Amino acid sequence: QVQLQESGPGLVKPSQTLSLTCTVSGGAISSADYSWNWIRQYPGKGPEWIGYIYFRGTTYYNPSLESRVVMSVDTSKNQFSLNLNSVTAADTAMYYCVREVRSSARGWFDPWGQGTLVVVSS
Amino acid sequence: DIQMTQSPSSLSASVGDRVTITCRASQSIRTFVNWYQQKPGKAPQLLIYLASNFQSGVPSRFSGSGSGTDFTLTISSLQPEDFATYFCQQALSPPWTFGQGTKIEI
Repeated sequence: QVQLQESGPGLVKPSQTLSLTCTVSGGAISSADYSWNWIRQYPGKGPEWIGYIYFRGTTYYNPSLESRVVMSVDTSKNQFSLNLNSVTAADTAMYYCVREVRSSARGWFDPWGQGTLVVVSS
Repeated sequence: DIQMTQSPSSLSASVGDRVTITCRASQSIRTFVNWYQQKPGKAPQLLIYLASNFQSGVPSRFSGSGSGTDFTLTISSLQPEDFATYFCQQALSPPWTFGQGTKIEI
């Protein structure tokens, strides 16, 4: 059973870079059947999709965040990462790493990591 | 971006009630909608994918239907463990977008 676990600082200063890593266990990250995603959520709100990366490095970012986001993948460690630069208080949220299962060019998010709260504050 | 609007935002219900949540897309998304359940302090979990397909382990009291712009998630007989927040998500085209959620309360 695949499990995802986020790691990284829980506190980031304004204007700095938020960096998170997701470790995938119980399955290989190297499959074209899956994309690897970051999703964030504000309290009481619906999730916001940040972007995805495939194991070969292909990425797609939400246009609303595209100018500040970089994702990377390390297949040797079964990990993928998120860098969000120039953060402000508006980036304070729960961040989830999530696998998207792809089938016939359509997908769904399963499973989700447990999430990590990132606070942007000086 | 495709907007997903859920209704109601919250509802009060009792154990044994039949509950229906609706999700409307801002344009046709055919049957490309997924549903998730989120309990307090936990990550969302997939319930139904592509409008009507059950995720493994999901009880049969949950069902999904709809196509085009209008979709429903129905719980046929509400159980205590079903009190949670439910989200729809469109899977037609990125950026993938979610509804704002429907919270089921006692």
